[in-house]
Amino acid sequence: EDKVVQSPLSLVVHEGDTVTLNCSYEVTNFRSLLWYKQEKKAPTFLFMLTSSGIEKKSGRLSSILDKKELFSILNITATQTGDSAIYLCAVSGANSKLTFGKGITLSVRP
Amino acid sequence: DGGITQSPKYLFRKEGQNVTLSCEQNLNHDAMYWYRQDPGQGLRLIYYSQIVNDFQKGDIAEGYSVSREKKESFPLTVTSAQKNPTAFYLCASSIRAGTDTGELFFGEGSRLTVL
Repeated sequence: EDKVVQSPLSLVVHEGDTVTLNCSYEVTNFRSLLWYKQEKKAPTFLFMLTSSGIEKKSGRLSSILDKKELFSILNITATQTGDSAIYLCAVSGANSKLTFGKGITLSVRP
Repeated sequence: DGGITQSPKYLFRKEGQNVTLSCEQNLNHDAMYWYRQDPGQGLRLIYYSQIVNDFQKGDIAEGYSVSREKKESFPLTVTSAQKNPTAFYLCASSIRAGTDTGELFFGEGSRLTVL
């Protein structure tokens, strides 16, 4: 059974801090790892990672995948209150469906 | 504007009643999915469909049923057999069917409360 574990499950930081969110996985025939941000209702796509060691970047957010150690990190620099959300990690394996982790609740205080 | 529309956004039902949640997409996506989200549980897959007139059970299909008669529509019925139906339900779609799911596009969700 595919498994995704995210850590920490929640954290509180102050504006301007840098945060690192972790995602480890066990999956049969790994194909991709995806990060989503969920603010209120619909999760929105952040990154899809398929290759080890190649950083994906979008503004203050970046993510990287390590297929040998089976984990990914999502970094957010210079956090803002608008970064407060649940961050979801999901992996796609051989059975053509995504398995999600429990999510990380990030709260950014002014 | 292309997207996924779920309705209703909020729904209250008495125990023992079946309820159907609607999900419509105009993205011309092949694959559609239903997830359930409970606090602290992340998203758990209920059912998914890769093509019209075909669907597969996900990890928590018991007490739920679906149909895929049209490419655009993938309604979910929560039956009276579902023991804990109160939850937030998310519908999603993806471009590709098959073994590489790719990015999912989500609807705004339907919050079901069973009284």
